[in-house]
Amino acid sequence: NAGVTQTPKFQVLKTGQSMTLQCAQDMNHEYMSWYRQDPGMGLRLIHYSVGAGITDQGEVPNGYNVSRSTTEDFPLRLLSAAPSQTSVYFCASSYSDSSGANVLTFGAGSRLTVL
Amino acid sequence: AQSVAQPEDQVNVAEGNPLTVKCTYSVSGNPYLFWYVQYPNRGLQFLLKYITGDNLVKGSYGFEAEFNKSQTSFHLKKPSALVSDSALYFCAVRDKSSGSARQLTFGSGTQLTVLP
Repeated sequence: NAGVTQTPKFQVLKTGQSMTLQCAQDMNHEYMSWYRQDPGMGLRLIHYSVGAGITDQGEVPNGYNVSRSTTEDFPLRLLSAAPSQTSVYFCASSYSDSSGANVLTFGAGSRLTVL
Repeated sequence: AQSVAQPEDQVNVAEGNPLTVKCTYSVSGNPYLFWYVQYPNRGLQFLLKYITGDNLVKGSYGFEAEFNKSQTSFHLKKPSALVSDSALYFCAVRDKSSGSARQLTFGSGTQLTVLP
């Protein structure tokens, strides 16, 4: 049982380049989300999805795109990388249980540096 | 709007002593509250959650948290700290009235260091 798998683990980009962070889960979870983690700021929600074909913006969506063509995959695209996007990115998935309190399962993270 | 505050960036405690990591929250309705732990170079792992009912919630690895509605707090506690508890701890909240699609809001994190 792999859980949530993120690739790549590390990436260095130059300003203006584009790239995609991959996220896949094998738990058949309906909800998936992307967070960025910056020192002293905790985790901030970038985009999330409540099911295949449905996505919505979180707290800090600018400069990022997402799509959800399948239940398993939720890639995050950086359109034109900027130094302010240097961060650690986490993908998470969850399902809605009877309590309504979804527990997130996180990937191991992707560390991105933009020069 | 929902928000979480973790007032301490760093907490140091001696091994064997009790530990407390503080969290306060703000929601317009009633909260779901969570604690997650992050070990170095790893993703976050779920520790425990408060849904309703008993104010004392027990979780993984001997941790527990006390929900206090009047003080809007959800402090994480452990009676006897271990060196292996050293990690970054995050409190998170979701307003129950927001619906299950609404994602969590996380605090800024508290670095716990347990000294041998």
